[in-house]
Amino acid sequence: GQQVMQIPQYQHVQEGEDFTTYCNSSTTLSNIQWYKQRPGGHPVFLIQLVKSGEVKKQKRLTFQFGEAKKNSSLHITATQTTDVGTYFCAGLRIQGAQKLVFGQGTRLTINP
Amino acid sequence: DAMVIQNPRYQVTQFGKPVTLSCSQTLNHNVMYWYQQKSSQAPKLLFHYYDKDFNNEADTPDNFQSRRPNTSFCFLDIRSPGLGDAAMYLCATSRDGVAGNNEQFFGPGTRLTVL
Repeated sequence: GQQVMQIPQYQHVQEGEDFTTYCNSSTTLSNIQWYKQRPGGHPVFLIQLVKSGEVKKQKRLTFQFGEAKKNSSLHITATQTTDVGTYFCAGLRIQGAQKLVFGQGTRLTINP
Repeated sequence: DAMVIQNPRYQVTQFGKPVTLSCSQTLNHNVMYWYQQKSSQAPKLLFHYYDKDFNNEADTPDNFQSRRPNTSFCFLDIRSPGLGDAAMYLCATSRDGVAGNNEQFFGPGTRLTVL
C-alpha cells in the first residue's frame, strides 16, 4: 500500500536555529497537507499544497511540494519555543481509495 | 465558535467491557472521521462517514464499530476492549471528501485506558 515516509523522527534544536522535516511518498500524490500537534494536543491543520512545485509561506514556515508530487518539506526559520510539537504530513494519492495517509511525524523540541 | 467536541476527554474501562466514545460537530461538515493514535505515532484512520455512507478501513478490527445518527453526531463503539486498544481516539471532520475541500478539523480526543 501507499506509504508516506517522514524524516527525521526527532529533531532537537537551539532556539533561533532552523528546522526542516521531509516527506516522501511511494506514489504520486494529488495533494499534501501539513498538521501540527502540540504535546498533549490534537492535530491542527497548517496548509495544503496541490500544484507541482508549489511553495507557500506562513510567516517563518515555508512549505514545498516537489515537482513530481511525491515529496514535500516544511522549513521553519529561526525557531521559537512556540514551534515545539510534532509535525505531520498527510498525502492524498491520485488513484485508489481516497484517504489521507499520514507520515510518522517529526517531533521538534527546542532548547530556549 | 464552530468546533468539534469529544466526550468524554478521558475514559477508563475494563478489559472486555464495551465502551462508547462520542463526537459532535457544529461545523455542519459532510465528513466525519475516527482515528486511533498511540503514543509517538501518527493518527491511524479507523473509518469515516461521508454523510450517511460508511467507509471502513480494511485493517480496522471488527471490534470497532461506528454510528452516525445525524450530521452532527458520530459514535465509536468498542465492543470488547483489549489492552492494545488503549490509545487516544481522535474525531475529525471535513467539509468535503478528501478530493475536495478536505482540511480536517480535529477534536481534542478521548484518551482511553483499559484496565
